[in-house]
Amino acid sequence: AQSVTQLDSQVPVFEEAPVELRCNYSSSVSVYLFWYVQYPNQGLQLLLKYLSGSTLVKGINGFEAEFNKSQTSFHLRKPSVHISDTAEYFCAVSAPNSGNTPLVFGKGTRLSVIA
Amino acid sequence: ETGVTQSPTHLIKTRGQQVTLRCSSQSGHNTVSWYQQALGQGPQFIFQYYREEENGRGNFPPRFSGLQFPNYSSELNVNALELDDSALYLCASSLDRVTGELFFGEGSRLTVL
Repeated sequence: AQSVTQLDSQVPVFEEAPVELRCNYSSSVSVYLFWYVQYPNQGLQLLLKYLSGSTLVKGINGFEAEFNKSQTSFHLRKPSVHISDTAEYFCAVSAPNSGNTPLVFGKGTRLSVIA
Repeated sequence: ETGVTQSPTHLIKTRGQQVTLRCSSQSGHNTVSWYQQALGQGPQFIFQYYREEENGRGNFPPRFSGLQFPNYSSELNVNALELDDSALYLCASSLDRVTGELFFGEGSRLTVL
């Protein structure tokens, strides 16, 4: 079975500063990795995904993430955050070669951007 | 292209009652998954339907059941509601079962009193 650990439950950061949201996963098989964002009172929106190929993945709204197989990590980064980036961010993993592949989510990291 | 829509958006029930939540999947998507998101937690997988058949189930009791219709819309039914069932219920559709890329609706927030 797969699992995801998001190491920080809350991350406060000043506007225009860089940010990194950390995600580690556990799996005995190869995985697909995702980051989703949830704004207040809304569903989840896909930010980016790693399926294969280049380990540096670029997503929407200026976010990027790097897949590191040896460290089983998939950290999310943005070089300069905006107030509008304040939201809950979820890392998720699926196992494409195990038949049924539900997404397994971490508990989330609340990003608060301070003006 | 129409996204995933869910109804109702909010509802309040009392313990022991039954509830039905509905979901229309994104156009062209044949797979629907349901997740429960308790306050302050990540979404937890309830079950998935592929072409009207249950295709996988998470660690939820049998009083959580579902259906998928020929047009790929779906229902989540919960019987004998408990206080801990209070949560945001998210429906997500996908084009296939392989990549795990899901497109979510905005959820139905259930409060059980």
